[in-house]
Amino acid sequence: EIVLTQSPATLSLSPGERATLSCRASQSVSSYLAWYQQKPGQAPRLLIYDASDRATGIPARFSGSGSGTDFTLTISSLEPEDFAVYYCQQGSNWPLTFGQGTRLETK
Amino acid sequence: EVQLLESGGGLVQPGGSLRLSCATSGFTFSSYAMNWVRQAPGKGLEWVAIISGTGANTEYADSVKGRFTITRDNSKNMLWMQMKSLRVEDTAVYYCAKARPTTSNFDYWGQGALVTVSS
Repeated sequence: EIVLTQSPATLSLSPGERATLSCRASQSVSSYLAWYQQKPGQAPRLLIYDASDRATGIPARFSGSGSGTDFTLTISSLEPEDFAVYYCQQGSNWPLTFGQGTRLETK
Repeated sequence: EVQLLESGGGLVQPGGSLRLSCATSGFTFSSYAMNWVRQAPGKGLEWVAIISGTGANTEYADSVKGRFTITRDNSKNMLWMQMKSLRVEDTAVYYCAKARPTTSNFDYWGQGALVTVSS
């Protein structure tokens, strides 16, 4: 099973700042890496797929990068609605796995 | 508009059974793989199972293999998860999730159904 490790566990920032979230895989997942955003009481929402492609309707301030084992989700300038939990997910090998999540909170 | 609506959640005793349903609309159901993903209270996301568009192929997480069965009826645009031998640790919100074409990412999610396994 591929283990995804996200860091940091919690990130405290202010609106307008830049957020950088990391996801490291225990073995290569090529570019089969997705990012999701989840707000309390809501289902997750797909942000990024194939490591760097934005999903439909996702603002340009969200970007993804990386390949192999190291991936990054960047939010260029935080908006109030961006404070949430973010998960990475690999689609390279069975079983599909998620990272444990990064909580992005308001400083 | 793509819509996924789960139902069938509830309280069940350990060792019991439950069947979750997911009614779908707004897309060509038979063209897409479908998944179940769960989230224990206060915890992260765990993928549970996937079924191909035709229904011929399935995969399961080790934690549910042999106990859960994912099925679909393309004529009714419906997805199901039959859960048997339920354990306390199966307590979670269960989401049905549509897969993006030819991938194992999830582009649309239902609102979730809560399954509580407790005596």
